[in-house]
Amino acid sequence: NAGVMQNPRHLVRRRGQEARLRCSPMKGHSHVYWYRQLPEEGLKFMVYLQKENIIDESGMPKERFSAEFPKEGPSILRIQQVVRGDSAAYFCASSPSTRNEQFFGPGTRLTVL
Amino acid sequence: QQQVKQSPQSLIVQKGGISIINCAYENTAFDYFPWYQQFPGKGPALLIAIRPDVSEKKEGRFTISFNKSAKQFSLHIMDSQPGDSATYFCAARSSGSARQLTFGSGTQLTVLP
Repeated sequence: NAGVMQNPRHLVRRRGQEARLRCSPMKGHSHVYWYRQLPEEGLKFMVYLQKENIIDESGMPKERFSAEFPKEGPSILRIQQVVRGDSAAYFCASSPSTRNEQFFGPGTRLTVL
Repeated sequence: QQQVKQSPQSLIVQKGGISIINCAYENTAFDYFPWYQQFPGKGPALLIAIRPDVSEKKEGRFTISFNKSAKQFSLHIMDSQPGDSATYFCAARSSGSARQLTFGSGTQLTVLP
C-alpha cells in the first residue's frame, strides 16, 4: 500500500506565477489535510477536504490560495501570483476518517524567486 | 496565536542518554496528542500518541507523560541513539469537526556517538 504521494517534490516559481501542488492520498483515505511549514517552524494547518468538499479552510489565506479534492484524481493546492513569502514546504496528510491518524506525504518544497 | 508551545528548540544528548522534550497547550478542546519525528527532506512520521485520559504511554524507548491539569506533556527518549537525531514535533488534535493538528515549533535533537 503506497503512502501519501506528493508532486512535485521541488517547485521553483518566479514572483507572479502560479504554483500547483498535488497530493494523492493513501488508498482508502477520503480525508485530506494541507499544512505549510516555514523554515525553522512547525507545520501550520491550512485546509481540510473530503472528496469534492472543502470542510474547513480556516488556516488558508483568503486571497491567492485555493484547494480542491475532486471525485477523481489528486487533491490540488493552488497558489496564484506567488510571492517570496510563499516559499515553504507544503505537506499533505490523509486519513480514512477524522478520528484516525493522519499520514503525511514527503512534502513539496516551493521556492519563489 | 501559538496554541502549543514546545521546548527546547534544540537538544544535544550523548549516546545512551535520555532526551526530554516538553510541550504545553492552552486550548482545552484538544483530544489527542501525537508526537512526530521528521528527518531532513521528509514528511513528519507519527512516533507515539496519547489521549488525555491516560497519564503515561510507553512504546519501546519512547514514553509520553501527560499532565492534564497542568496542560503539559512531554516525550522521553531512553537510551538515545545517533539514529534518533531528527526534529521532533509535538501536536494536539482539535476535537472540532475538522480534527486538524496544531503543531509545536519543533525540537532539533542531536545524539552524539
